Amino acid sequence: QQQVRQSPQSLTVWEGETAILNCSYEDSTFNYFPWYQQFPGEGPALLISISSVSDKKEDGRFTIFFNKREKKLSLHITDSQPGDSATYFCAASGGGNNKLTFGQGTVLSVIP
Amino acid sequence: NAGVIQTPRHKVTGKGQEATLWCEPISGHSAVFWYRQTIVQGLEFLTYFRNQAPIDDSGMPKERFSAQMPNQSHSTLKIQSTQPQDSAVYLCASSLGERLFFGHGTKLSVL
Repeated sequence: QQQVRQSPQSLTVWEGETAILNCSYEDSTFNYFPWYQQFPGEGPALLISISSVSDKKEDGRFTIFFNKREKKLSLHITDSQPGDSATYFCAASGGGNNKLTFGQGTVLSVIP
Repeated sequence: NAGVIQTPRHKVTGKGQEATLWCEPISGHSAVFWYRQTIVQGLEFLTYFRNQAPIDDSGMPKERFSAQMPNQSHSTLKIQSTQPQDSAVYLCASSLGERLFFGHGTKLSVL
């Protein structure tokens, strides 16, 4: 059972466009939702996160939109840059447990 | 701060051999996590420790896999009688709060 789902599996955008990555979850106890960015040969690194008490979190070109009722969230990357090309993982935790459950990831390619 | 250190970066073993993977968490972090990453399964949780005590090992295969944290400066993941399906990148992460800091991982190849 996939607790955290991501779509699309891969996404290609032109430099300067907005990339939208989607995520949904099933477990109602999840209350913390980080997005991790991973480059080849490296471990995932925290990009931005949101808690379930908020519906939006912004950090520079990266914004999370969160819909608790629908159990969905999305990551928007505005003015995409070739350096943003990476795999992005949506994750979730909750219920007092710091264990993160990860989605399958979205591979983003930004074409110059 | 060197971050989470994992050794070795790459390990090649023959089928049936034992593999021990090492992790040095960030100093002061109270929790250590182990994940396994493959193309097919993605990032799978294996186990985690808090203040050196095992908290949740629900992701660990019941046979052949074991993890320890003998002191606050390192943790080990041991795989006995390795099988080709154990080939993966094994990631260690440490945290003080909700944010996990990952190491570069150990790529295990079982021939």
